[in-house]
Amino acid sequence: QVQLVQSGAEVKKPGASVKVSCKASGYTFTGYYMHWVRQAPGQGLEWMGRINPNSGGTNYAQKFQGRVTMTRDTSISTAYMELSRLRSDDTAVYYCARFVVVPAAMAAEEGWFDPWGQGTLVTVSS
Amino acid sequence: QSVLTQPPSVSGAPGQRVTISCTGSSSNIGAGYDVHWYQQLPGTAPKLLIYGNSNRPSGVPDRFSGSKSGTSASLAITGLQAEDEADYYCQSYDSSLSGEVFGTGTKVTVL
Repeated sequence: QVQLVQSGAEVKKPGASVKVSCKASGYTFTGYYMHWVRQAPGQGLEWMGRINPNSGGTNYAQKFQGRVTMTRDTSISTAYMELSRLRSDDTAVYYCARFVVVPAAMAAEEGWFDPWGQGTLVTVSS
Repeated sequence: QSVLTQPPSVSGAPGQRVTISCTGSSSNIGAGYDVHWYQQLPGTAPKLLIYGNSNRPSGVPDRFSGSKSGTSASLAITGLQAEDEADYYCQSYDSSLSGEVFGTGTKVTVL
């Protein structure tokens, strides 16, 4: 079955960086974009950006431009999200999610997330 | 910075019908982009509930249904059950932001 398994929880100090991994199985890794979404404690879902596992091309939400880097290693079907210059308000659960494009979509970016990884809690604290 | 607005909470007795609205604008839902819905049970990752405005993935009960009209979409739960207590989020694409956007989220409580 299609599955995304993320790396474990992290505790970081302000100003540091964190790199979260997302290992895919059960489908062709290069055939679907991978997106990253985060959720602060008690808050809603926030889209961070996406990577094309085939080309390595990325698109980031404006809020994270300059601080986030998404990469992939196709040999092990794994996507990565690195967030730098961490602040306390970056404390959140970070999810990877496979993106399924809407058939005959108006835009190539139009689609839904299925499935999601189990989430990785990143705590930023001094 | 959610651009899709949902009611913070809705509630209903077991067996009742509840609806959750998702209001967008001319750059997302109103532009014709599809709306998708997710259910997030406490302490778990979101799970796809409805895709393409009104389609249910395999395994999702037909108690859940979705619709879209104009700049809004709705999720309906009929025959409400205790296991439906969760947070629900809508999602679409926004051409002004050039990215995916989520609703503010709605907590469903079964009385």
